[in-house]
Amino acid sequence: EDQVTQSPEALRLQEGESSSLNCSYTVSGLRGLFWYRQDPGKGPEFLFTLYSAGEEKEKERLKATLTKKESFLHITAPKPEDSATYLCAVSNQAGTALIFGKGTTLSVSS
Amino acid sequence: DVKVTQSSRYLVKRTGEKVFLECVQDMDHENMFWYRQDPGLGLRLIYFSYDVKMKEKGDIPEGYSVSREKKERFSLILESASTNQTSMYLCASSLTIINSPLHFGNGTRLTVT
Repeated sequence: EDQVTQSPEALRLQEGESSSLNCSYTVSGLRGLFWYRQDPGKGPEFLFTLYSAGEEKEKERLKATLTKKESFLHITAPKPEDSATYLCAVSNQAGTALIFGKGTTLSVSS
Repeated sequence: DVKVTQSSRYLVKRTGEKVFLECVQDMDHENMFWYRQDPGLGLRLIYFSYDVKMKEKGDIPEGYSVSREKKERFSLILESASTNQTSMYLCASSLTIINSPLHFGNGTRLTVT
């Protein structure tokens, strides 16, 4: 069965303290891996798509990387406004709909 | 930018009522989706549609139905609302089924009492 697991469930950082969020997946024929950011009371906002192992994407303080078994979302020198829940999702070979992980809730304090 | 609009941010309904949740997208996307999001359970797919009048069951379709009469509009129907359907409901659209990112609305928080 296709599965996406995110860790940790929650992460507290001080402003400027870099860290990484993990998304490990078991999927039959990965077509793509997606990262989303979700603020409280809002819908998820698309961040990145990664298609193949070794690929990297960057946006401001965020950098997403992909291996054959997992993806990392690296957050460099985070600010309080980076506080949100980060969701990972995969598209499999069947391609019917995305499979989501349960998310990592990031809190950055000043 | 793609805009997905859900008609209500908050709804309070009584057990047994028929409930309609409406969603409209403005980017001519073929595919539309309904998810529910609950603490500890994450996002779960209820139904999706890849064309007008076409629908497919997701992981948790029981107690729900959908309607897609026009390309831009996708409705979720709770035939007889129950308290276990209290949740955040999220609508999304995408250009293609495979490898297109989903664009989400801001959700409808439904409370069934």
